Amino acid sequence: ETGVTQSPTHLIKTRGQQVTLRCSSQSGHNTVSWYQQALGQGPQFIFQYYREEENGRGNFPPRFSGLQFPNYSSELNVNALELDDSALYLCASSMRDGYEQYFGPGTRLTVT
Amino acid sequence: AQSVTQLDSHVSVSEGTPVLLRCNYSSSYSPSLFWYVQHPNKGLQLLLKYTSAATLVKGINGFEAEFKKSETSFHLTKPSAHMSDAAEYFCVVSDLGSGYSTLTFGKGTMLLVSP
Repeated sequence: ETGVTQSPTHLIKTRGQQVTLRCSSQSGHNTVSWYQQALGQGPQFIFQYYREEENGRGNFPPRFSGLQFPNYSSELNVNALELDDSALYLCASSMRDGYEQYFGPGTRLTVT
Repeated sequence: AQSVTQLDSHVSVSEGTPVLLRCNYSSSYSPSLFWYVQHPNKGLQLLLKYTSAATLVKGINGFEAEFKKSETSFHLTKPSAHMSDAAEYFCVVSDLGSGYSTLTFGKGTMLLVSP
């Protein structure tokens, strides 16, 4: 069984740029959720994808967008990067009606 | 709306002594509750889960938690701390009331274990 993987591990971007983060879900899982974890905080829910459609969204602006592909992998895109976007971005996969979510190691984004 | 309050930002114990990490929750629906652990520069690992079965839940590495509805609590315990337990612990609530499962995290408790 393959776990959740994320790429890249680390990323440094400049304010105003755009970034794409990638996630491969655990084998057999059809739902992907993205979370932002600022330094010293708990993760916050960004959005969830199921069957290639956004299935729910947290309190994040539209410049945070995503995609899910037929193989259930996913991308998180952030446009017009701001300094406050610096954080660890976590991807989690699950079954559609499953309570348990399994997390990847995260992508550390630094915006300068 | 659901929420989680972790009552301690830091807990310090000596190796071999008991661990207690406190968590209170609020949820409009019958909640599922979890504890996750995060070691430095690592992702989140599921320690244990409560999903309306037995109120005393056993997890990995000797941890357990008790769901107390009357107190809206889900405290995490371990009889004897090990150095490798030093990490950040998150109490998490989840419900399907919104039609999809989303996790709401507490702010975390850093567990420090001294020799």
